[in-house]
Amino acid sequence: GAGVSQSPSNKVTEKGKDVELRCDPISGHTALYWYRQSLGQGLEFLIYFQGNSAPDKSGLPSDRFSAERTGGSVSTLTIQRTQQEDSAVYLCASSLGLADTQYFGPGTRLTVL
Amino acid sequence: QKEVEQNSGPLSVPEGAIASLNCTYSDRVSQSFFWYRQYSGKSPELIMSIYSNGDKEDGRFTAQLNKASQYVSLLIRDSQPSDSATYLCAVNVGSARQLTFGSGTQLTVLP
Repeated sequence: GAGVSQSPSNKVTEKGKDVELRCDPISGHTALYWYRQSLGQGLEFLIYFQGNSAPDKSGLPSDRFSAERTGGSVSTLTIQRTQQEDSAVYLCASSLGLADTQYFGPGTRLTVL
Repeated sequence: QKEVEQNSGPLSVPEGAIASLNCTYSDRVSQSFFWYRQYSGKSPELIMSIYSNGDKEDGRFTAQLNKASQYVSLLIRDSQPSDSATYLCAVNVGSARQLTFGSGTQLTVLP
């Protein structure tokens, strides 16, 4: 079946602009995770959603970052007033349930000029 | 101490040899362990998951877990040039649902 999809694949923006990144999880997966991967920082957790429960936002680096998940499926990660240090690959993953195997999407490469 | 640590690379092995990748974790409560492979410019793809002490084999790959010593390893037998990639160890640290990743080990298999 179809895997996790993300869009756009690449995004170039100017410092101070807002960006939205989209993730469409594997059908039937109730858990959805956002991570980011940057040079020198490795792969770090941002936020996860599980069903209708309140999301775990403990990994969000600042209040400029937010995410929502509509209808228990598609998720959008929003970064307001982007900064150059936000440049990274943003990865979305989904799993059947919490602590189940996570499958990653292709990522969105964000470049902030 | 980092929550998940991997042996520093890069690691080079000749084609046909066994590649050994190691990972240690800090929280004894951790229950779920994963190895992902990441090719340059691509996203991580799952190689193995392991939850119980001992060995788990899948084709040329064997994951080994020792909870008492808090380490997990990945052996790749008959290494092929196509195995050249960065291997990421990932752990549900403690009771956390998100994965904590090691910094990765870059493996090069020389023809």
